[in-house]
Amino acid sequence: AQSVTQLDSHVSVSEGTPVLLRCNYSSSYSPSLFWYVQHPNKGLQLLLKYTSAATLVKGINGFEAEFKKSETSFHLTKPSAHMSDAAEYFCVVSALNAGGTSYGKLTFGQGTILTVHP
Amino acid sequence: EAGVAQSPRYKIIEKRQSVAFWCNPISGHATLYWYQQILGQGPKLLIQFQNNGVVDDSQLPKDRFSAERLKGVDSTLKIQPAKLEDSAVYLCASRQIRRRDTEAFFGQGTRLTVV
Repeated sequence: AQSVTQLDSHVSVSEGTPVLLRCNYSSSYSPSLFWYVQHPNKGLQLLLKYTSAATLVKGINGFEAEFKKSETSFHLTKPSAHMSDAAEYFCVVSALNAGGTSYGKLTFGQGTILTVHP
Repeated sequence: EAGVAQSPRYKIIEKRQSVAFWCNPISGHATLYWYQQILGQGPKLLIQFQNNGVVDDSQLPKDRFSAERLKGVDSTLKIQPAKLEDSAVYLCASRQIRRRDTEAFFGQGTRLTVV
């Protein structure tokens, strides 16, 4: 079984200040983890993904995420928020079983709405 | 490459009516998902196809929802009869799972309003 918990439903920051969106996961197997962003009336867009090659992952638009297995976390950060970052963000977990016969069920967190104030 | 195409973008129906959504995935993607996203919630998986076979439909309300994927390409999702609580955005996604970290690509969704 797999699950994702996004710890904040809303995060509000001022432009130019750091952003932290928190995500904890649960998975029976080695997971793959993704962050997607959804702007109003737009489709879901991939921000970044954990590939197991490195625990610190860099994505588009200056976002980063760090995979911490001991804490089962994959928090999303950005050093300096921009007005265009205002959107809803989803943490997603995908797990394949050891035999590779499970075809990648994607489980979404509840989402975090990021508001950026001028 | 062309993205995931969905139609219609918007649909308004009365309760107890039927409705169908269409999805054309990215060419060559064997895995296709349908998700339901209710306002204020994360997307919930309805059904997952691998080619034209169903991998997971455990959360599909089978008394009113049905889905098929013809020849392992296009897919349709149908609701009959619709209820007020079916008002949501229906998202289609496709994926070619070569590795466990392969990303899924999403369409823009169909926004359904049941009145």
